[in-house]
Amino acid sequence: EAGVAQSPRYKIIEKRQSVAFWCNPISGHATLYWYQQILGQGPKLLIQFQNNGVVDDSQLPKDRFSAERLKGVDSTLKIQPAKLEDSAVYLCASSRFEAAGGEQYFGPGTRLTVT
Amino acid sequence: AQSVSQHNHHVILSEAASLELGCNYSYGGTVNLFWYVQYPGQHLQLLLKYFSGDPLVKGIKGFEAEFIKSKFSFNLRKPSVQWSDTAEYFCAVNEAGTASKLTFGTGTRLQVTL
Repeated sequence: EAGVAQSPRYKIIEKRQSVAFWCNPISGHATLYWYQQILGQGPKLLIQFQNNGVVDDSQLPKDRFSAERLKGVDSTLKIQPAKLEDSAVYLCASSRFEAAGGEQYFGPGTRLTVT
Repeated sequence: AQSVSQHNHHVILSEAASLELGCNYSYGGTVNLFWYVQYPGQHLQLLLKYFSGDPLVKGIKGFEAEFIKSKFSFNLRKPSVQWSDTAEYFCAVNEAGTASKLTFGTGTRLQVTL
């Protein structure tokens, strides 16, 4: 089966600009996650969707970050306006099982550099 | 709140040496435990996982991990590393019986020399 797809793979923007990332999960996976991985740290969850509803967005900086998952499939994550500290890799993951601790499959990530 | 500690940040081993990477977690309930690996230029991949049952779990490429509940530990082992094992290794935990978020450790960079 095809893996989790993400685009773009790399993005360089200036601070205060906006940026959007796209994720297409594995077909049939109900749960979709966005993680932020800052250099030297492990990934940290930003937001979790189950189908098209938000399950956990407690760590999402809602004044500048937003995310949506239309029709319970693709998802976009937006940052507006970006800050220097947003420089990181943004990982999308998906999971088949809705409530059974199923394995999370990760995409290749989008490396964002904010200058 | 969940937390995961990986004590070794950077490990350098010669080929054929044995490997043990430490992982300790903090959580008040029952957990699922994972080790993920990220090879250079590639995305995160699952190495092995523990949900329940036998606390010694075997994963891909000869890796294994042992869940010791009393020590809140889930250490990763491999008897003989290869150059191709050079990668970053992440321990992660989530709440058992759920599809909740993974809480990751900071990762261990393993470098295997010829």
